[in-house]
Amino acid sequence: GAVVSQHPSRVICKSGTSVKIECRSLDFQATTMFWYRQFPKQSLMLMATSNEGSKATYEQGVEKDKFLINHASLTLSTLTVTSAHPEDSSFYICSAKRTGDTGELFFGEGSRLTVL
Amino acid sequence: GQNIDQPTEMTATEGAIVQINCTYQTSGFNGLFWYQQHAGEAPTFLSYNVLDGLEEKGRFSSFLSRSKGYSYLLLKELQMKDSASYLCAVMDSNYQLIWGAGTKLIIKP
Repeated sequence: GAVVSQHPSRVICKSGTSVKIECRSLDFQATTMFWYRQFPKQSLMLMATSNEGSKATYEQGVEKDKFLINHASLTLSTLTVTSAHPEDSSFYICSAKRTGDTGELFFGEGSRLTVL
Repeated sequence: GQNIDQPTEMTATEGAIVQINCTYQTSGFNGLFWYQQHAGEAPTFLSYNVLDGLEEKGRFSSFLSRSKGYSYLLLKELQMKDSASYLCAVMDSNYQLIWGAGTKLIIKP
């Protein structure tokens, strides 16, 4: 099966610091990866679409300078929350689409960010 | 605009059958997905329908009618572990996933 690993699973940081979350496809190549955030009891909200070797496409209302996305290889995408604030506390989830596949997404385990 | 509708919450009894409906209006259609998500965890894939009809996979079945913009997820022989949110998602003409808000399923003994 296709496995997506997300790290760290939990992170606590101080307000004003930056946090990097990694998303790796372990056994397949992923040209496209997606980043979501999810607040308690709410559905997934797509933040951005990340394509290997190019700039990420951000959804409306998502600050690209605050949420930096890098997809430097076919197996790794990173999300950096810069100058984090308590309102950035959330569950961040990545998913990957296997190169050549039409649609099924494989999800990482998610990363819970708490900003103090 | 694009829209996915599914009930917010449903309650069912252990051992029973429950049907979760999903209606959609999207710009183009390239398949419909159902995902299961337990609280605090990432979603897990359940089914994918791109042609009309019923797809059965164990206790779970998914149905699609493209002409009606309608799908349902059928869960049989409900177990307590089936308590979760069920997300309906449609892939549009640009191969982007449009997500429903999810249906929280509560299973009672």
